[in-house]
Amino acid sequence: EVQLVESGGGLVQPGGSLRLSCAASGFTFSNYWMNWVRQAPGKGLEWVANIKEDGSEIYYVDSAMGRFTISRDNTKNSLYLQMNSLRAEDSAVYYCARDPGEGSGYSDYWGQGTLVTVSS
Amino acid sequence: AIRMTQSPSSLSASTGDRVTISCRASQGISTNLAWYQQKPGKAPKLLIYGASTLESGVPSRFSGSGSGTDFTLTISCLQSEDFATYFCQQHYTNPWTFGQGTKVEIK
Repeated sequence: EVQLVESGGGLVQPGGSLRLSCAASGFTFSNYWMNWVRQAPGKGLEWVANIKEDGSEIYYVDSAMGRFTISRDNTKNSLYLQMNSLRAEDSAVYYCARDPGEGSGYSDYWGQGTLVTVSS
Repeated sequence: AIRMTQSPSSLSASTGDRVTISCRASQGISTNLAWYQQKPGKAPKLLIYGASTLESGVPSRFSGSGSGTDFTLTISCLQSEDFATYFCQQHYTNPWTFGQGTKVEIK
């Protein structure tokens, strides 16, 4: 059974940093692109970043460029999102999601999400 | 970035109704469109990708159609478990973008 479990969310002050993790199981993690998608409270979905199977290709939404870093460790079946210079508008539930095939762009499995709150 | 616009933003329907949700892209995306269902407090669930391909395990009452800029999600016979919010997403080009959502409520 495919499982994605996010962790690392919490309350952080504006300008602060947070590192999210996603533990994957039930599939061969190193064979899949992975995504981070976020959802502000009561709002819609926003794709944040994705990373190729071997980490050789990475893409970000404009608002995350230069502040967020997506990475992965295939030996640990884990995906990460390092978030720096956090702003109030970054407050959201962050989901880790699997891309089913070669950067197809949609997500077939999602984690339960981890809540990030940026507030003083 | 490609802008995705859904309509309506919300609708009220009864069990057994046929429901149609529209999604329009700001530029042509061929058939690179996905639909998701989300219930309160839960992660989105993939229903359809490639505009019309049903994800494994999704009931056949869900169907998708369209190409280019205009797409439709149809629920042929609404069931109680279908009351949720639905999102479209283009998977044509980065950055992947979502519609704002359509909430299907009980009439």
